[in-house]
Amino acid sequence: GDSVTQMEGPVTLSEEAFLTINCTYTATGYPSLFWYVQYPGEGLQLLLKATKADDKGSNKGFEATYRKETTSFHLEKGSVQVSDSAVYFCALIPGPGANNLFFGTGTRLTVIP
Amino acid sequence: EPEVTQTPSHQVTQMGQEVILRCVPISNHLYFYWYRQILGQKVEFLVSFYNNEISEKSEIFDDQFSVERPDGSNFTLKIRSTKLEDSAMYFCASAGSGGWNTEAFFGQGTRLTVV
Repeated sequence: GDSVTQMEGPVTLSEEAFLTINCTYTATGYPSLFWYVQYPGEGLQLLLKATKADDKGSNKGFEATYRKETTSFHLEKGSVQVSDSAVYFCALIPGPGANNLFFGTGTRLTVIP
Repeated sequence: EPEVTQTPSHQVTQMGQEVILRCVPISNHLYFYWYRQILGQKVEFLVSFYNNEISEKSEIFDDQFSVERPDGSNFTLKIRSTKLEDSAMYFCASAGSGGWNTEAFFGQGTRLTVV
């Protein structure tokens, strides 16, 4: 079935460090891939998405590239800030018209000054 | 920025009691969803709702669960007789006419604790 596997946390980084959060997926069709972020006390927010292979989603300095050959959608940021501390969720929709968003377990990132 | 609002933020209930979790979606959205996350586990799909009826539901969404949009603004999740394993964070979401392919918004969640 369709699923997402995300690297386990928590992840603790110093400010300005490079961030990678790994995400791999299993899908029978042609999924769309997403990263959601949850800041403390807030709801899940869409961070970025990619709808087809080789697409790169980017937002707020974060990037992720849809890699069909490795079934991956790793989240990266070159220089993290304290304000990036949050829980990050990788997710997928199995294909066009699908109505179910599959999430990973989430990775908690803490950035220390 | 548009916002999905969930109430209460935290609900404690005794096993066997009924609970109603409330959500106010974005006003012009058409798709509504409930998800839950048991501590340390994945965020799991429960149900989607479109055009005043359930469009899809997961195996988790058994006869103990129901959803309603009673007044055109609120979207509620009812658990008739809570079990300990229903303890989780419950998230509501809403999306526009394109569903998840447009931007969907989530609420901040309701933490349900069944004791």
